[in-house]
Amino acid sequence: ILNVEQSPQSLHVQEGDSTNFTCSFPSSNFYALHWYRWETAKSPEALFVMTLNGDEKKKGRISATLNTKEGYSYLYIKGSQPEDSATYLCALGDSNYQLIWGAGTKLIIKP
Amino acid sequence: SAVISQKPSRDICQRGTSLTIQCQVDSQVTMMFWYRQQPGQSLTLIATANQGSEATYESGFVIDKFPISRPNLTFSTLTVSNMSPEDSSIYLCSVEAQGLGGELFFGEGSRLTVL
Repeated sequence: ILNVEQSPQSLHVQEGDSTNFTCSFPSSNFYALHWYRWETAKSPEALFVMTLNGDEKKKGRISATLNTKEGYSYLYIKGSQPEDSATYLCALGDSNYQLIWGAGTKLIIKP
Repeated sequence: SAVISQKPSRDICQRGTSLTIQCQVDSQVTMMFWYRQQPGQSLTLIATANQGSEATYESGFVIDKFPISRPNLTFSTLTVSNMSPEDSSIYLCSVEAQGLGGELFFGEGSRLTVL
């Protein structure tokens, strides 16, 4: 059974500081790595879908990197703002197009 | 992209009752997915709903407990039957708007509390 681990489970960051967190996954059966942001009372929203080793993607102040050989992805947030407070989920897509989800990192931005 | 309307957004239910969650998509999609997130846990896929055929259930989920309807390409329902407190979760419907392996679009979720 494939397992996707996210760390830390939760994170408190001062407004304006930068932060990052990790998604770890078994490197075999890799097809794609998804990142989603889930704000309270809203729909989860896709941030990135990455498929290539060494991929780096950026959306505004948020960026992500992917290392498929060692089985991890980092999500970075530069200059955290209150609106970044959310749970960040990663999901591993395997060769059968099944998504295996991590439990998420809950990010709280302190003003 | 896809816009998904899901209702109810939340409900408090009594043990032993059933509740049906509705999911409406603004475009035609082949597959719709139903997920559950129990407190502190990962998103778990319950089943995949295809129009015109029975839903495909994941290990640990059965049709008698979670019957699904998919009458057309834009609508689906999930019923949580004979609820117990362990069914207290957020239930989400989602679609893949760009085909297999693409990003998912989600409804806003239905937060069920079973007393």
